[in-house]
Amino acid sequence: AQKVTQAQTEISVVEKEDVTLDCVYETRDTTYYLFWYKQPPSGELVFLIRRNSFDEQNEISGRYSWNFQKSTSSFNFTITASQVVDSAVYFCALSEARHTDKLIFGTGTRLQVFP
Amino acid sequence: GAVVSQHPSRVICKSGTSVKIECRSLDFQATTMFWYRQFPKQSLMLMATSNEGSKATYEQGVEKDKFLINHASLTLSTLTVTSAHPEDSSFYICSARDLAGSTYEQYFGPGTRLTVT
Repeated sequence: AQKVTQAQTEISVVEKEDVTLDCVYETRDTTYYLFWYKQPPSGELVFLIRRNSFDEQNEISGRYSWNFQKSTSSFNFTITASQVVDSAVYFCALSEARHTDKLIFGTGTRLQVFP
Repeated sequence: GAVVSQHPSRVICKSGTSVKIECRSLDFQATTMFWYRQFPKQSLMLMATSNEGSKATYEQGVEKDKFLINHASLTLSTLTVTSAHPEDSSFYICSARDLAGSTYEQYFGPGTRLTVT
């Protein structure tokens, strides 16, 4: 069965701290896609990244970086030098190749960055 | 970038009435749109997949007669919550897949907060 687990319900940090949001997934498929989305207080979901299961290279985009480890079925997200504007709920999601339309979301991690 | 709009952003209705929510892709065509439901402080759950010109595909446990979906054009899908009850109060989010773009990326609308009194 497919499942996405975000064990951290809420994280609070002070500005400029680094923070890592964990994501562990379960799937029987060998081909799948992993995503991270940001949901600010306004409610809309903002796409951050998509990674396919054959690409284990870590990715960096500005202050954001992602660590994909197939051996531990994890796709963790790190924000470096956090800012108040990073405060939001972050969702990790999975879709399997045979059901590419279906996004299975984790329960989300609420990040609060204090000044 | 691709933009998806939803209308209304908030709606309050009385129990027993029906509410229609619109989802539009503003600068791209979408043969497929998706409807999600999000309870407070919870995750998004896919309710149904809306296909232009054909019937929607509902996820297990979602009542198709209660949540009517119509995808009449390549840029518009509507979700009608019929005979709404307080337990239908939730945040409804739609997404759309760009016909000409990435196969796997869904663009999300800003959501509609429904409160049934």
